[in-house]
Amino acid sequence: GAGVSQSPSNKVTEKGKDVELRCDPISGHTALYWYRQSLGQGLEFLIYFQGNSAPDKSGLPSDRFSAERTGGSVSTLTIQRTQQEDSAVYLCASRLKDTQYFGPGTRLTVL
Amino acid sequence: EDQVTQSPEALRLQEGESSSLNCSYTVSGLRGLFWYRQDPGKGPEFLFTLYSAGEEKEKERLKATLTKKESFLHITAPKPEDSATYLCAVYSGGYQKVTFGIGTKLQVIP
Repeated sequence: GAGVSQSPSNKVTEKGKDVELRCDPISGHTALYWYRQSLGQGLEFLIYFQGNSAPDKSGLPSDRFSAERTGGSVSTLTIQRTQQEDSAVYLCASRLKDTQYFGPGTRLTVL
Repeated sequence: EDQVTQSPEALRLQEGESSSLNCSYTVSGLRGLFWYRQDPGKGPEFLFTLYSAGEEKEKERLKATLTKKESFLHITAPKPEDSATYLCAVYSGGYQKVTFGIGTKLQVIP
């Protein structure tokens, strides 16, 4: 079946611009995660959605980062006023039982 | 705070040369340990979940084992297509508390 999809696959932006990253989870998976992966670093948890519960935003690095999940399915991660240190691969995962299934990621480059 | 340390950071093997990757962890009440494979430019691909010490799981040339302090990913007679970064992760509380290691980059030379 279809896996987790993310778009765009690559995004190059200028410092100070806003960006939106999209994640389409596997159908039926109620939990959705966003992670950030920087070179030489482990996956950094950003935010977690579970059903209709309030999201766990404890991993968001600053108030420039926000995310929403509409209709319990598609999620959008928004980064406002991007900085060069935001450059990384942003990964989305959806979960069935205790296993997370990852999308291919969006590589964000901030010039 | 949960911690995951993977070693070695990089490993180069000849085709057919078996070896093991290590994942040491410190958690307050392990609920599960995951192994993932990640190819360049792709998201992590799920391999195994282990829940309790003594548990073992196998898939093709890979075998994962778990003790109270660490997990091993054994690779038997590896092939070049096994080249990838292998990630270990643990969760101890709610499902959102998943902590990943940095990974071991494996290269298998023909």
